Amino acid sequence: EAGVTQSPTHLIKTRGQQATLRCSPISGHTSVYWYQQALGLGLQFLLWYDEGEERNRGNFPPRFSGRQFPNYSSELNVNALELEDSALYLCASSPAWGKRASKNIQYFGAGTRLSVL
Amino acid sequence: SQKIEQNSEALNIQEGKTATLTCNYTNYSPAYLQWYRQDPGRGPVFLLLIRENEKEKRKERLKVTFDTTLKQSLFHITASQPADSATYLCALDAGGTSYGKLTFGQGTILTVHP
Repeated sequence: EAGVTQSPTHLIKTRGQQATLRCSPISGHTSVYWYQQALGLGLQFLLWYDEGEERNRGNFPPRFSGRQFPNYSSELNVNALELEDSALYLCASSPAWGKRASKNIQYFGAGTRLSVL
Repeated sequence: SQKIEQNSEALNIQEGKTATLTCNYTNYSPAYLQWYRQDPGRGPVFLLLIRENEKEKRKERLKVTFDTTLKQSLFHITASQPADSATYLCALDAGGTSYGKLTFGQGTILTVHP
């Protein structure tokens, strides 16, 4: 069974440009999560999508946005890139959200390394 | 304010010993807590989940405890091996308005020396 896949692996942009990162969840998973992992800051929650809807977002400015498609894949868009956006962006998926804790285990992709010059 | 802290940034131990990692939290009432392993350049990999009403959970050489009174989880790796060297992250779901969001600790870098 294929795991969570993210593309591209690496992305180099200049300040002010836009970046688009893509994620394909594990087959059968409907929830997709995005995290930013900047050096020294740990994983910071960005966004959560489930069944095509944004369900929660972290403390990031509106220039971080995304969407989830009918096939449950997702993309993260970062507009007006700043130098401090350089980080590893991780996508995770989980089965449909529910009160059963085991459904809330998150399965991560290998990430997209975004470098803003 | 809410905070998750892992006891140390780095832990060095000798092969065969037990590694004990600590995760403390404040101003959370999590229903469960998870532990993940992350290797350099890779995404975290789920290891164990423990619910608030469980005191201890085991999986092979791994053991997790959860003390909601102390607001602390301990993660143990027994008979450690160099292959266990990685960053270990604790994560919890705060519930409420943080519904669906996992909050991660900063991680502890474990190095097991042969």
